[in-house]
Amino acid sequence: EAQVTQNPRYLITVTGKKLTVTCSQNMNHEYMSWYRQDPGLGLRQIYYSMNVEVTDKGDVPEGYKVSRKEKRNFPLILESPSPNQTSLYFCASRDRDSYGYTFGSGTRLTVV
Amino acid sequence: EDKVVQSPLSLVVHEGDTVTLNCSYEVTNFRSLLWYKQEKKAPTFLFMLTSSGIEKKSGRLSSILDKKELFSILNITATQTGDSAVYLCAVESYNFNKFYFGSGTKLNVKP
Repeated sequence: EAQVTQNPRYLITVTGKKLTVTCSQNMNHEYMSWYRQDPGLGLRQIYYSMNVEVTDKGDVPEGYKVSRKEKRNFPLILESPSPNQTSLYFCASRDRDSYGYTFGSGTRLTVV
Repeated sequence: EDKVVQSPLSLVVHEGDTVTLNCSYEVTNFRSLLWYKQEKKAPTFLFMLTSSGIEKKSGRLSSILDKKELFSILNITATQTGDSAVYLCAVESYNFNKFYFGSGTKLNVKP
């Protein structure tokens, strides 16, 4: 089944403890992206990648890192999480010439 | 600044009603406009629009784009409780293929 898989689905952590949210897609898509969703603010792009080793900042990149060493994987790294990063996170992927993203199931992160 | 604005923010209707959701945008180098439905988890794709005036239809849902006035509407006729969700509008730009999402319209359909 074609899908975007994120892990974990839920995570509660403490301020300052480094964490990684994994994202993997099995559709051979070139484009991948991370979004966060907060009430009243819709989805905001954190980082995106147009291919292996090609990444760029989205609208809200502060406090996050990404890497794209393989086409299928696009992990999101929070080096020192803070409470304002409590949010619902979505990874998404798409083919270069197609329209619209396919989204993962989301990761609900709480930083206390 | 590129932006997408949806209205209303929330809407409560009864089963059988018809609703119209609005999406206006100001996005440089427009490529496409997409509608998504989001229930408790990931957004799922509804429609993609690139040309003005051509209605896209899927069952009771339909959507149309006006590229001159920079807006789109999503219509849902004969609403059902299963239509209750947040409806998201997103606009893609040719500039680095960026997507801009609106904040969504929360639709609640009561029995």
